[in-house]
Amino acid sequence: QKEVEQDPGPLSVPEGAIVSLNCTYSNSAFQYFMWYRQYSRKGPELLMYTYSSGNKEDGRFTAQVDKSSKYISLFIRDSQPSDSATYLCAMSADSWGKLQFGAGTQVVVTP
Amino acid sequence: EPEVTQTPSHQVTQMGQEVILRCVPISNHLYFYWYRQILGQKVEFLVSFYNNEISEKSEIFDDQFSVERPDGSNFTLKIRSTKLEDSAMYFCASSPVGTGDQPQHFGDGTRLSIL
Repeated sequence: QKEVEQDPGPLSVPEGAIVSLNCTYSNSAFQYFMWYRQYSRKGPELLMYTYSSGNKEDGRFTAQVDKSSKYISLFIRDSQPSDSATYLCAMSADSWGKLQFGAGTQVVVTP
Repeated sequence: EPEVTQTPSHQVTQMGQEVILRCVPISNHLYFYWYRQILGQKVEFLVSFYNNEISEKSEIFDDQFSVERPDGSNFTLKIRSTKLEDSAMYFCASSPVGTGDQPQHFGDGTRLSIL
C-alpha cells in the first residue's frame, strides 16, 4: 500500500465552482499536513499547513484533517482560472521531518 | 516575501561527470532539504541537514551524493558521477527552527539533464 495516495486527475471545473481535493495515507505517525500548489516548471508553493486533526481556513482555501480516517482535504471556493495548477498533499511525522508527497492532482479551471 | 533561490535553473551534463546544484535558503531558516522529482513521478525526499550535519537521508541518497553548507548562505548538492537515471528536477527547501508553524518552503528547482 502506498504511504500517501492522491488521485492524479485531471479535475476540470468551471470558474466559480468549489474545487475539492483529497489524500489518504497509511502511516498513523503523520501529524503535520500540508498542501502545496505547483505550476508547470516551478517549485511547490505552500498553501496550507495543519497540525493534527481539524479545519483551517485561509481566504478561499480550507484544509481539513481527519486523522481517525487518515484522510485530508483541500477545498478551494470561488475557483479562478489562475487556480489551474497541480496540487500536492504532503505530510510528515515531525515538524522538521521529511515530507512524504502525494502524486499531485492536476486542476483545470475553465472560464 | 523571502524565498529559496536555486541555481542554475537548468543543468545539462554528460553521464559520469560531477555536478553541483546550488541553493540559497531563506536567511533565518536553519533546516535544509533536497528533494527530487523525476518527470511524471512524485516529489521524493533525498536528505535533510541541520547544524552542519545530515539529519536524515533516503535510500536514494547513496555514496554518489553529498551535501555541504560551504558558507553562511549557500547549501549545495553534489552528485559525484552522474547516471542517466539522475535526470530529474531537484528542489531545495528550508524551514525555520523554533516554536510554532515550521513548514518547508521550496525553491523553483534545477532541472538536471544527463546525456
